[in-house]
Amino acid sequence: TQLLEQSPQFLSIQEGENLTVYCNSSSVFSSLQWYRQEPGEGPVLLVTVVTGGEVKKLKRLTFQFGDARKDSSLHITAAQPGDTGLYLCAGVGTYKYIFGTGTRLKVLA
Amino acid sequence: EAGVAQSPRYKIIEKRQSVAFWCNPISGHATLYWYQQILGQGPKLLIQFQNNGVVDDSQLPKDRFSAERLKGVDSTLKIQPAKLEDSAVYLCASSFHLREGDHEQFFGPGTRLTVL
Repeated sequence: TQLLEQSPQFLSIQEGENLTVYCNSSSVFSSLQWYRQEPGEGPVLLVTVVTGGEVKKLKRLTFQFGDARKDSSLHITAAQPGDTGLYLCAGVGTYKYIFGTGTRLKVLA
Repeated sequence: EAGVAQSPRYKIIEKRQSVAFWCNPISGHATLYWYQQILGQGPKLLIQFQNNGVVDDSQLPKDRFSAERLKGVDSTLKIQPAKLEDSAVYLCASSFHLREGDHEQFFGPGTRLTVL
């Protein structure tokens, strides 16, 4: 069974701080996606990374796909209260998505 | 463009009762997914349809869960009989293509099920 472990599981930080969330697996994926989910809503796609070693930036968010396409990281610079939510990575394999265990982020004003 | 619609949004039932959830995907999306999300965890795929055919139902507890997508558009997920551990949010998602590396899933708001 493919598993995607995310760390940390919970993170509470002050506004303005930086943070990194990790997504690790022993399996290789064709691509990896990051979603953010807010309470009472479904996950919303933030980014898809496809190539090993790829780095994508979305404003204050930086996403990296590991060289071996087994792991990924999400770095947020100068976190804001609006970044609060559940961050999920999802490995994309053969016609299948495997979601990670999730990282719940709370940014305090 | 209308998003993925789900109903009901909330449901409370007693254990051993039956319940059904409905999902209407984004128009034109061939692939439809049902996920179970336990509080604080990542979604777990229950079943995946391509049009009205099942692509993957390996994690669907078939003794109590069933799902159908008869006309390749909307879908229903049923639980009969429900157990306490079925308490979760049931998410429906759809995507345009079933092709590796090229699909964004669009999620509905989910149905929160509480089994007492």
